[in-house]
Amino acid sequence: GENVEQHPSTLSVQEGDSAVIKCTYSDSASNYFPWYKQELGKRPQLIIDIRSNVGEKKDQRIAVTLNKTAKHFSLHITETQPEDSAVYFCAPLGWGSQGNLIFGKGTKLSVKP
Amino acid sequence: DAGVIQSPRHEVTEMGQEVTLRCKPISGHNSLFWYRQTMMRGLELLIYFNNNVPIDDSGMPEDRFSAKMPNASFSTLKIQPSEPRDSAVYFCASRKNTVSQETQYFGPGTRLLVL
Repeated sequence: GENVEQHPSTLSVQEGDSAVIKCTYSDSASNYFPWYKQELGKRPQLIIDIRSNVGEKKDQRIAVTLNKTAKHFSLHITETQPEDSAVYFCAPLGWGSQGNLIFGKGTKLSVKP
Repeated sequence: DAGVIQSPRHEVTEMGQEVTLRCKPISGHNSLFWYRQTMMRGLELLIYFNNNVPIDDSGMPEDRFSAKMPNASFSTLKIQPSEPRDSAVYFCASRKNTVSQETQYFGPGTRLLVL
């Protein structure tokens, strides 16, 4: 099955700085790569995703980049704001996992004002 | 659409009691997932259904846990008997199991406390 690792597990930045979270996966059949954000006491929600035929995707201050050869993808947040403070999960989908999203252990991002 | 609906939102019970958690997926979604989240173990997939059929229950911790999906709009997760270590937030999620429709939507969760 899919083995997913996220780094770092915790990340603290000053407001306005950039944050990068990396996710590595093992299933070469993975073809869909989402990032979920979970604010304290709330449910995980999709914030951005990318498919294997694309190398990068941007949505305002967030972006995801994919390196299929190296089997990793990253979440980039620019001009961080206090409301970006949350736990972020990567969840690659691969057919080796019966078509399931396999969630990483999460990265806790703290943005200090 | 109201999104994925879960009930109850909070449950406090005593060890040994039966607990039933309920979920209504988004209409038209054919895959339903039950997760458990704790600080120690993170987000764990317990079981999932495709077209109301259980596909993989390898994440169900033990025989005290059972799940059913009698129709496309309703699922239950039952714990009998409950134990303090079952205290967690239980999320239900649903999605269409098709290419380009992979987005998974989570319900608000049920916070379970077993005393």
